[in-house]
Amino acid sequence: EAQVTQNPRYLITVTGKKLTVTCSQNMNHEYMSWYRQDPGLGLRQIYYSMNVEVTDKGDVPEGYKVSRKEKRNFPLILESPSPNQTSLYFCASRQGGSTDTQYFGPGTRLTVL
Amino acid sequence: TQLLEQSPQFLSIQEGENLTVYCNSSSVFSSLQWYRQEPGEGPVLLVTVVTGGEVKKLKRLTFQFGDARKDSSLHITAAQPGDTGLYLCAGAPGTYKYIFGTGTRLKVLA
Repeated sequence: EAQVTQNPRYLITVTGKKLTVTCSQNMNHEYMSWYRQDPGLGLRQIYYSMNVEVTDKGDVPEGYKVSRKEKRNFPLILESPSPNQTSLYFCASRQGGSTDTQYFGPGTRLTVL
Repeated sequence: TQLLEQSPQFLSIQEGENLTVYCNSSSVFSSLQWYRQEPGEGPVLLVTVVTGGEVKKLKRLTFQFGDARKDSSLHITAAQPGDTGLYLCAGAPGTYKYIFGTGTRLKVLA
């Protein structure tokens, strides 16, 4: 089954404790992206990757890091989480350009105390 | 910063009614997509429109891309409880980035 998986689905942590949210896709897609979703703000793009070792900032990259060492994986790293990073996070992938179907993972709900 | 404004933010209607959701921007997009999101899940793509003035139909849903490619609308005919969800538009200013709208939360009452 074609899918995007994220782990963990729920995470409660404390300020400053480094964490990683994993994302994996089994569709051999070139393009992957991370979003955060906050009430009243919709989804905002954090980082995206056009291919292995190629990443670029989205609209809200501050406080986040990403890496793309393998085509299927695109982890999101919070080196020093802060309460304003409490949010619902989605990973997504698609094969090519912006007209291709973008597939989203199930989401990771992060709470930073 | 490019913005996509959706209206209305919330909509509660009776089964069988028609409705229209709007997605507006001052920026031009190369393409625009509409998604529906259910609670606890990621958004699911409904349609992609590319050409100014383009109209696409998906059963009871009709999507239109504005002539200038700055706005779009989603019209639902004879809404059903299964249409309940969060509707999101997303504009692509280029090849890789997306700008998402703020969302319209629709509730259809039986």
